[in-house]
Amino acid sequence: NAGVTQTPKFRVLKTGQSMTLLCAQDMNHEYMYWYRQDPGMGLRLIHYSVGEGTTAKGEVPDGYNVSRLKKQNFLLGLESAAPSQTSVYFCASSYRWTGVYEQYFGPGTRLTVT
Amino acid sequence: EDKVVQSPLSLVVHEGDTVTLNCSYEVTNFRSLLWYKQEKKAPTFLFMLTSSGIEKKSGRLSSILDKKELFSILNITATQTGDSAVYLCAVDRSSNTGKLIFGQGTTLQVKP
Repeated sequence: NAGVTQTPKFRVLKTGQSMTLLCAQDMNHEYMYWYRQDPGMGLRLIHYSVGEGTTAKGEVPDGYNVSRLKKQNFLLGLESAAPSQTSVYFCASSYRWTGVYEQYFGPGTRLTVT
Repeated sequence: EDKVVQSPLSLVVHEGDTVTLNCSYEVTNFRSLLWYKQEKKAPTFLFMLTSSGIEKKSGRLSSILDKKELFSILNITATQTGDSAVYLCAVDRSSNTGKLIFGQGTTLQVKP
């Protein structure tokens, strides 16, 4: 099992450019999440999905869009990148249990917007 | 507003020392508290705590939850350089979405 994978690993964008980050998981998890991590701020939730075809906003959704057309994939889009979106982006997934939700993380994508 | 606060934000110790990391929380409908270790890349799961007073242990790491005082501690005994990492605390609320609220993290550096 590859677990959770993310592409690309690194990217440099100019202000105003667009891009899509891809997250894929092979664990048959129902739930998937996109976070950003900035120095001193821990992980902040951007968007999440509780199943194929459904998405919802997290804490910091502005400037991002997402889609979950297939259960195993969760895409994060930046339509018009801004320097404030320079960050490390993590994707995570989890089972839908009646109890608790341990999340499994991908290796991250380091994005720089100049 | 729900929040999770970790302290200290950073810590430098020498090999063999014992460290205690703190995590306090104020959330509605608390379900569980999770600890993650983050080295260079992805956070990796350490512990999940749901009940007060029951210690979870894995090797030199242990953690306990106090739901009355709303905090958890993560202890690392006989620290090694490989323990150097960012330690993240997160809280799961009963929202059936699996959304976690993360603290800022504690950066631990263990010197030889």
